[in-house]
Amino acid sequence: SQTIHQWPATLVQPVGSPLSLECTVEGTSNPNLYWYRQAAGRGLQLLFYSVGIGQISSEVPQNLSASRPQDRQFILSSKKLLLSDSGFYLCAGSDRVREKLFFGSGTQLSVL
Amino acid sequence: ELKVEQNPLFLSMQEGKNYTIYCNYSTTSDRLYWYRQDPGKSLESLFVLLSNGAVKQEGRLMASLDTKARLSTLHITAAVHDLSATYFCAVEIAGTYKYIFGTGTRLKVLA
Repeated sequence: SQTIHQWPATLVQPVGSPLSLECTVEGTSNPNLYWYRQAAGRGLQLLFYSVGIGQISSEVPQNLSASRPQDRQFILSSKKLLLSDSGFYLCAGSDRVREKLFFGSGTQLSVL
Repeated sequence: ELKVEQNPLFLSMQEGKNYTIYCNYSTTSDRLYWYRQDPGKSLESLFVLLSNGAVKQEGRLMASLDTKARLSTLHITAAVHDLSATYFCAVEIAGTYKYIFGTGTRLKVLA
């Protein structure tokens, strides 16, 4: 079965500090990968998605970037965090059949 | 502009009652997903609906899809407290690999 490992579970960072969140995928090859952000009590906002190594599509202009250096690795980064970057970040993946979108356990980011 | 709207946003219901959550979307899609999220947790997959007229049931939950009406429903039968959670629908935009999520329905089942 497909599994997404995402870490850390909780992160507290000062404004202006850098960010690196990583997720890795097991159980499928060549997955499509996604980063979503969820503000408190709100829905999921698609930030980035990737259909292959080095291929990144950005959905929302913002202070974040994404990279996919390996087939099963997806990284979310920022050079300087803003207060508005706080939220629950979820990495997700789907296999080539696209019959399921599966999620990691999420990272709760608080920017202070 | 693509919209995936759920109705209602909040739902408080008594145990044993039935209710339906609606998911309307504004784009062409033949794939719709339902998820459950508990507070502070990630999303748990409930149903994947892959064609017009698809109906799936698991326990007290039943989901259906009408792609022509661009409507999916999540029906709750004889609700129990353990069903209290936030429920999301998600649509894959046809011809892309993008999944757009609905606004969510926060369900509270009262004993």
